[in-house]
Amino acid sequence: AQSVTQLGSHVSVSEGALVLLRCNYSSSVPPYLFWYVQYPNQGLQLLLKYTTGATLVKGINGFEAEFKKSETSFHLTKPSAHMSDAAEYFCAVSAENTGNQFYFGTGTSLTVIP
Amino acid sequence: DAGITQSPRHKVTETGTPVTLRCHQTENHRYMYWYRQDPGHGLRLIHYSYGVKDTDKGEVSDGYSVSRSKTEDFLLTLESATSSQTSVYFCAISAGQLNQPQHFGDGTRLSIL
Repeated sequence: AQSVTQLGSHVSVSEGALVLLRCNYSSSVPPYLFWYVQYPNQGLQLLLKYTTGATLVKGINGFEAEFKKSETSFHLTKPSAHMSDAAEYFCAVSAENTGNQFYFGTGTSLTVIP
Repeated sequence: DAGITQSPRHKVTETGTPVTLRCHQTENHRYMYWYRQDPGHGLRLIHYSYGVKDTDKGEVSDGYSVSRSKTEDFLLTLESATSSQTSVYFCAISAGQLNQPQHFGDGTRLSIL
């Protein structure tokens, strides 16, 4: 079975500082991994995805994530936080044995301090 | 943005009443999903559909039923609403390939008093 763990339900960073949001997954087969962002009163928007190939994937708004199989991780980073990055972030996993289901983490709320 | 419309966007109702939420898509995607979002739980799958009249249960299906009579519409029904079903409900769609993302509607905020 698949599962996702997001360490830290709340993360605060200063504007201009590095953003690091952690995601670890559990999967018995090669995973497909996704990061989504949710702004208040909106649905989830795709930030980036890893399926196969290059393990460092770039997404929208300057975010990127690296798939590390040995660490079963897919952490999300951004070199310099902007006020507009304040939102809820969700990591998700799917795989060939999930019956077309996605499994989501419980989310990390990012606060950006001016 | 993917063409997904959820209705209503907000609803307040009383315990014991039936409630139906609608998800409409214009993408002709095969798969449709209903999730609920609650603090500390992230998104939890209620039911999903893999085609017209083809549905399956998710993690938290008790107290919910679904129907899909057309590709574009996926209905979620609470037969007799309870206060524990107060939540934000999201519909999502996907083309079906696992390496493709799900796309989400803007949600329905449901309060059951």
